[in-house]
Amino acid sequence: KNQVEQSPQSLIILEGKNCTLQCNYTVSPFSNLRWYKQDTGRGPVSLTIMTFSENTKSNGRYTATLDADTKQSSLHITASQLSDSASYICVVSPDNYGQNFVFGPGTRLSVLP
Amino acid sequence: EADIYQTPRYLVIGTGKKITLECSQTMGHDKMYWYQQDPGMELHLIHYSYGVNSTEKGDLSSESTVSRIRTEHFPLTLESARPSHTSQYLCASSGTARAYEQYFGPGTRLTVT
Repeated sequence: KNQVEQSPQSLIILEGKNCTLQCNYTVSPFSNLRWYKQDTGRGPVSLTIMTFSENTKSNGRYTATLDADTKQSSLHITASQLSDSASYICVVSPDNYGQNFVFGPGTRLSVLP
Repeated sequence: EADIYQTPRYLVIGTGKKITLECSQTMGHDKMYWYQQDPGMELHLIHYSYGVNSTEKGDLSSESTVSRIRTEHFPLTLESARPSHTSQYLCASSGTARAYEQYFGPGTRLTVT
């Protein structure tokens, strides 16, 4: 069964600190992996998109890595800000046709002053 | 910022009422999706459309219906709302070239009393 697991379920850090969120998937075949940020009560917003051949991609203070062999991805947040408080969702697609998306449960990040 | 809109943003309604949640996008995307998300939980696909006059049910059983008469418009209708329908409803769209890249609307928070 295609699944996406994320850890930790929730995380609390102090402003200015770094953190890393994990995503493990069993989706096969694999086409692409995306990380989304979802603020409370809002829709998800795309942070990064990685295909099979990419193993790292950055978007400002967000850096995603992908190991397609071990089927793991991580999202590293540098110098966290209060506005980083949100849920971070990992989504894996087995194709490029927009037909199948496997969503992870998300990691809830809280950044405290 | 994605050009996908949902109205209303918040709705409180009594049991048995008929409601329609609106979703519109101005990006010319052919694929559109409806997701249901309970607080702190993952997104579940309830309906999707690959184009005008095309609609399919998703993985999560839903008592709602959808229509796709125009490319830009994908409304979701509940004929008789029940408290179990209380949830957040997210609309998304994706284009042909990068079909795996979904853009989400801000969501509609529905409460059925």
